[in-house]
Amino acid sequence: QVQLVQSGAEVKKPGASVKVSCKASGYTFTSYGISWVRQAPGQGLEWMGWISAYNGNTNYAQKLQGRVTMTTDTSTSTAYMELRSLRSDDTAVYYCARDRQTAVASSFDYWGQGTLVTVSS
Amino acid sequence: DIQLTQSPSFLSASVGDRVTITCRASQGISSYLAWYQQKPGKAPKLLIYAASTLQSGVPSRFSGSGSGTEFTLTISSLQPEDFATYYCQQLNSYPRTFGPGTKVDIK
Repeated sequence: QVQLVQSGAEVKKPGASVKVSCKASGYTFTSYGISWVRQAPGQGLEWMGWISAYNGNTNYAQKLQGRVTMTTDTSTSTAYMELRSLRSDDTAVYYCARDRQTAVASSFDYWGQGTLVTVSS
Repeated sequence: DIQLTQSPSFLSASVGDRVTITCRASQGISSYLAWYQQKPGKAPKLLIYAASTLQSGVPSRFSGSGSGTEFTLTISSLQPEDFATYYCQQLNSYPRTFGPGTKVDIK
């Protein structure tokens, strides 16, 4: 069965960086992309960006350009999201999701369990 | 960027009620729309993709319709496990924006 398992909660100081991992299993990793979505406390869902697990191509949300980097390691079927220069408003639960892009079925069909990142001095 | 609005933002309903949530896009997105259900402390769950296709394993009381700029999610007979927040998402272009959500609460 398809599973996305994320790394554990992190507490960071303002200005630091965080790297969240997302290990995939149960499917051919390179056949799908991975999108990252975050959710601040009590707020809605915010798309952060996408990476192709096939060739590493990326597309980032404009507001995060320059601070976010998404990568994959196909040898371990793991995706990573690094966010730098953390601010208090980056405090959120971060999710990875399998990004199914087809002409008829585009959607985020499987999600990780979420990783809470707390930014506090 | 394509903006999505949802109405209502909050809905109070009873078990057995028929519930309809509307999602409007700021420009045409064909049928590239998905609906998700999220319960507190949990990851979102895909319900509907391509505006009207039920994801495998999702109960048939959920249905979706629409194309272009206006879409609806309908729950034909609300069940206790359906009390949650529902989000629409457009996948026509980047960024992959989400609607602000509709919280369905118990009356």
